[in-house]
Amino acid sequence: DGGITQSPKYLFRKEGQNVTLSCEQNLNHDAMYWYRQDPGQGLRLIYYSQIVNDFQKGDIAEGYSVSREKKESFPLTVTSAQKNPTAFYLCASSMAGTDTQYFGPGTRLTVL
Amino acid sequence: SQKIEQNSEALNIQEGKTATLTCNYTNYSPAYLQWYRQDPGRGPVFLLLIRENEKEKRKERLKVTFDTTLKQSLFHITASQPADSATYLCAQGSGTYKYIFGTGTRLKVLA
Repeated sequence: DGGITQSPKYLFRKEGQNVTLSCEQNLNHDAMYWYRQDPGQGLRLIYYSQIVNDFQKGDIAEGYSVSREKKESFPLTVTSAQKNPTAFYLCASSMAGTDTQYFGPGTRLTVL
Repeated sequence: SQKIEQNSEALNIQEGKTATLTCNYTNYSPAYLQWYRQDPGRGPVFLLLIRENEKEKRKERLKVTFDTTLKQSLFHITASQPADSATYLCAQGSGTYKYIFGTGTRLKVLA
């Protein structure tokens, strides 16, 4: 099956801890994205990457970090510097030259 | 700044009727608009894309219009079914590889 996978589906973390969310795609897409979704708000872009070993900050990058060492993988680390990390995190990918994004199933992060 | 606005109130309609959802944009003239469907606790799924030079686009029971004068896109589901109940998101391209999403409108189709 082709698609995007995110793991874990639910994640709990204590305040002050860093946590890494996984995102893998086997669609051979060049671009990958991380969004955050909060109740009553639209998806907000955290980071995006157009090619391997390159990524750009989105609108709310503070407190987050990413890497893109492989085309199919784009992990997101939520650091302790993120003030309000509890949210639903969505990873997406798209083919170069197209405007359609394919989303993963999401990871719900709760900070205790 | 660029902004996408969708009616945050839920829309309830009777099965078999046409559902119409609205997406308004401000401070920008997007080259295209996209519509996605999102079920609770899941990622959005792409439905349709309409470009600024297209007045209307259809896909099965779905129809999207783009009115650049009103700065608005309408999303229609004809012969609606309870399975169409979901949140529908509107999005616009904002430069290369960047998109702005609306908050979404929750649709509930009553049997």
